Amino acid sequence: EPEVTQTPSHQVTQMGQEVILRCVPISNHLYFYWYRQILGQKVEFLVSFYNNEISEKSEIFDDQFSVERPDGSNFTLKIRSTKLEDSAMYFCASSRDSADVTMNTEAFFGQGTRLTVV
Amino acid sequence: AQKVTQAQTEISVVEKEDVTLDCVYETRDTTYYLFWYKQPPSGELVFLIRRNSFDEQNEISGRYSWNFQKSTSSFNFTITASQVVDSAVYFCALNTGNQFYFGTGTSLTVIP
Repeated sequence: EPEVTQTPSHQVTQMGQEVILRCVPISNHLYFYWYRQILGQKVEFLVSFYNNEISEKSEIFDDQFSVERPDGSNFTLKIRSTKLEDSAMYFCASSRDSADVTMNTEAFFGQGTRLTVV
Repeated sequence: AQKVTQAQTEISVVEKEDVTLDCVYETRDTTYYLFWYKQPPSGELVFLIRRNSFDEQNEISGRYSWNFQKSTSSFNFTITASQVVDSAVYFCALNTGNQFYFGTGTSLTVIP
C-alpha cells in the first residue's frame, strides 16, 4: 500500500541551527502539505504546495520556513534558524487532487518527524 | 471561517463499553470533506474515514461507526465494544480547498 515517508523520525537540533525535514509523498500525488503539532495541541496547517509553488500558507509559515521539491520525489521543509518554540511533530501529507467532491480525494499523512530544539 | 470543535478533551471507558466522540464543525462552504484520524501514542496520524458534504449516509466499519448530520453540523464517531488498543487521541478534521482544519482532539483511554 502506498504511503508517505518522512525522515528522520526524530531530530534534535540546537537553537539557531537550520534543519531540513524530508518527505517522500505518494508517487502519483500532486498536492503536498506540511502540518505541525506542538506537543499536546492540535494539528496546525503550515503550507500547501502544488505545481512547484506554494498555494496556501498559514500565519505560522513565516520567513524562517521554506518548502521545496528539489528532485520530483522529495518534498522538504526547511527551518532556517530554529527557535525553541519550533519544537513539535511535523507531518507531511499528500493528495492526488485538491478537495473537490468530484475528485474523491484523500490526503495521506506521513508518520511525522519529531523536532526537538534545545 | 472554518472551525472544528471537539468538546470532549478526555474520555475514559472500561473495556467493552461503547463510546461516542463528538465533532462539530463550522464552514460556509457547501463543498467540503470531513475526516477522523487516530493518533496512537507513537504519534503518527492514522486515517479512519472521509465523508464529503453531499453524502450524509452513516457508515459502519467493524466496531466503528460514524453519524454525519448536516442539520447540526456534526460528525460523531462511535466505537462499540471498546478495546484497550483503541486508546489514542482522535482528531476530527474539516477539509476545504487545500487545507485541513483539525479539532483539538479527544484523548480516549480504554481501561482493561
